[in-house]
Formats: sequence, C-alpha cells, structure tokens
Amino acid sequence: AQKITQTQPGMFVQEKEAVTLDCTYDTSDQSYGLFWYKQPSSGEMIFLIYQGSYDEQNATEGRYSLNFQKARKSANLVISASQLGDSAMYFCAMREGRRTTDSWGKFQFGAGTQVVVTP
Amino acid sequence: DAGVIQSPRHEVTEMGQEVTLRCKPISGHDYLFWYRQTMMRGLELLIYFNNNVPIDDSGMPEDRFSAKMPNASFSTLKIQPSEPRDSAVYFCASSGTVNQPQHFGDGTRLSIL
Repeated sequence: AQKITQTQPGMFVQEKEAVTLDCTYDTSDQSYGLFWYKQPSSGEMIFLIYQGSYDEQNATEGRYSLNFQKARKSANLVISASQLGDSAMYFCAMREGRRTTDSWGKFQFGAGTQVVVTP
Repeated sequence: DAGVIQSPRHEVTEMGQEVTLRCKPISGHDYLFWYRQTMMRGLELLIYFNNNVPIDDSGMPEDRFSAKMPNASFSTLKIQPSEPRDSAVYFCASSGTVNQPQHFGDGTRLSIL
C-alpha cells in the first residue's frame, strides 16, 4: 500500500516566488522520519531536508523549509525565492520506525512532483 | 570524500543474459540501499543492508534478482536471467544511520533488449 502521497504531479512557478509541494503520509508508528529529495533532469538524487517525528521545530535548510503537521500527517516542502536551478522532480520519502534491533519499517518514496521554474 | 560509486553507468544487454550492478558505499556508512526507478512505478526500494546483513528484501521483484554485500565497501545486485521489463535506472544509496540522509550514486541505466 502506498504510504506517501504527493498529489501534485507538476507545477509551474515564477522565479523568485515561493512554492509549496504537498506530501501526506500514512503510518501508525510514533517514531518515523521524513525526507525530501530533488532529482534534476541529469538524474542524480540530492538530499534536501529531514524531519524526525519527534522534532518539535520545523526543519529548515537554507531556502528549504518543511511544514510539518503531525496530526494531519503532512510534511510539505516550501521553497522560498525560487531559482531557475530549482526546476526538477521533488520526492517526499518516509522511513518508518524500528522493528528489531537491526531493522526498521518501510522506506518509501512518493511519486514525485515536477517543478518548472519560469523566468 | 568520495560519494557512492556505481558501475557501470550504462548497460545494454540482451534478454536472458546475466547482469551485475556494482556499488561502493561511502566509507563508514552502515546502511546500503538498492532502488529501481521507472516511469511506471517510480522509485522502489528493492533491498537494504545494515552492517553487510540484508535486513529487508521484500522489494526484490522475484527470484531472478539477488543482492550481496560481502564486505562494508562493496555490494552487487544481480539479475539472472534478465528480461526487458527489468529495464530501469538502478540506484545504490548509503547512509550512516537510518535518520541520516541517504547519499545516492549516479545510478546505472539498464536496458534489456
């Protein structure tokens, strides 16, 4: 079953504007981690930001911030002051909690949101 | 520091042939992940290792796929026999702990004719 949902397959944003990429997740675990990755057209996967389920503050990394709403099970990525180089596919991912000493629950990626930044 | 190194970058082969993909994780990383990416199915986790031990291989599509990690600095993903539907980009990633970001290799673009 799909545990990560990204409802926006694609979006356009103008340079210098902010954009919010939606991500909702499904887990019954109390401890889990949420990640966002960027994949430009060149194909590499680039880590952007991480939020732990117990983190009280929303994560921020430069122009990236994560709007974490635990009760709603959403972890939206906000990119401020968009740049042309932000054009890429963006993936939300979740790591579920520990199962045994050495193993963890599912790692799963969403289907992604294609962002195109226009001048 | 060197990142995750995958080889080959591209592989084209005929169906029925054995394919071996290789991965060198970042030194000191305890976790290694193999993913497959296709347009139809997106990014799928195939298997992951912790300290060279396979932890979860539930994503391996079928018995034709196998993965090994003989030591901390090397892992292989093998497909035997290969089929056209195995065509995809295969990524290897590693992380220090599960809460740290996974660092991805550049991927192997596999085409099975």
